[in-house]
Amino acid sequence: DAGVTQSPTHLIKTRGQQVTLRCSPKSGHDTVSWYQQALGQGPQFIFQYYEEEERQRGNFPDRFSGHQFPNYSSELNVNALLLGDSALYLCASSSKRTGQVNTEAFFGQGTRLTVV
Amino acid sequence: GQSLEQPSEVTAVEGAIVQINCTYQTSGFYGLSWYQQHDGGAPTFLSYNALDGLEETGRFSSFLSRSDSYGYLLLQELQMKDSASYFCAVPSAGGGNKLTFGTGTQLKVEL
Repeated sequence: DAGVTQSPTHLIKTRGQQVTLRCSPKSGHDTVSWYQQALGQGPQFIFQYYEEEERQRGNFPDRFSGHQFPNYSSELNVNALLLGDSALYLCASSSKRTGQVNTEAFFGQGTRLTVV
Repeated sequence: GQSLEQPSEVTAVEGAIVQINCTYQTSGFYGLSWYQQHDGGAPTFLSYNALDGLEETGRFSSFLSRSDSYGYLLLQELQMKDSASYFCAVPSAGGGNKLTFGTGTQLKVEL
């Protein structure tokens, strides 16, 4: 089991550009969440995808969008990049069970995005 | 809103015991999780407390007091490899993997 995999590992973009980050969940998982982690801070929830739909969203602007594919993999898109978008972007997967609060999320190694 | 506060940094010597505290304010509480993150690495799950009391997993233990909105992670027999950032986190009612993380505590283990 490869666990949660993310690509690319590192990325440098210019302010104003657009970026797409990818995530493959752990085998057997159907729910994917994306997090932004600035240096020295805790991860901040961006949004969650389940059954190919955005289910929950954190306090992030519409420049942040996503998609989930039938195989449960997911993409995070960020438009009109700002310098402040420089961060580690983490993907987490789990298996969603209705009415239960999952106790463990499995995280990928993340994509380090630098906006210059 | 939700907020979780932790000390920013803790230093201890190898072989010692260290406690990392977490106080929280949440709307709707379902339990407290702890994650470890080494520099440049992925957060990894350590423990979860849904009920009051102490949960022990090897050298690590986690405690929760719901009435005090307080929990802690206890690391025993510290090893150099325990040097990392530790985050408390609360899951949301929606389930899945939506977590609100604390401010994080950087643990430095010295010889």
